Amino acid sequence: EVQLVESGGGLVQPGGSLRLSCAASGFTFSNFRMSWVRQAPGKGLEWVANIKQDGSEEWYAGSVKGRVTISRDNAENSLYLQMNSLRAEDTAVYYCARDFPDISGWYYFDQWGQGTLLTVSS
Amino acid sequence: EIVMTQSPATLSVSPGERATLSCRASQSVGTNLAWYQHKPGQAPRLLIFGASTRATGIPARFSGSGSGTDFTLTISSLQSEDFAVYYCQQYYNWPPRYTFGQGTKLDIK
Repeated sequence: EVQLVESGGGLVQPGGSLRLSCAASGFTFSNFRMSWVRQAPGKGLEWVANIKQDGSEEWYAGSVKGRVTISRDNAENSLYLQMNSLRAEDTAVYYCARDFPDISGWYYFDQWGQGTLLTVSS
Repeated sequence: EIVMTQSPATLSVSPGERATLSCRASQSVGTNLAWYQHKPGQAPRLLIFGASTRATGIPARFSGSGSGTDFTLTISSLQSEDFAVYYCQQYYNWPPRYTFGQGTKLDIK
């Protein structure tokens, strides 16, 4: 069974930093692109970042670019999101998601974790 | 950025009835469109990809249609477990600039 388990959320002051983690199991982690998606309170889903299978390529949403770094450790089956210069608007539940290629060669999210809550507040 | 617009924002339907949810893209996304179901405190669940292909384990009462800019998710006979928020998402761009609709909340009438 595929499992994605996020951790590392909590309360952080504006301007602070935090690293989120996602532990993957039940599939060959190194074979899949992975993403982070977030949901601010009362809002919809927002894609945050994506990383290639070997970690050689990363993509970011404009709202976080320059403040966030996605990374992975295939030996540990883990995905990470380093968040710096945090703002109140980064407050959200952060989900890790597995990217799956469809016939077009582009990717949708076929597996999701249950999320970890990050609150940015003084 | 491709903007996804869902309607209605809230849909109230009685169990056993049909629900029709709409999603419109600001430009063509072909059939690179997915639908997700999301319940509070749970992981989002993939329902449909490729605009019309049901994901593994998704009941046949869920169906998707459309291409280009206009898409529909239909739930043919609502069950109690179907009341949730539904999101559409385009995955047409590369490099990835995935965008979601704002969601349709499906309420029990």
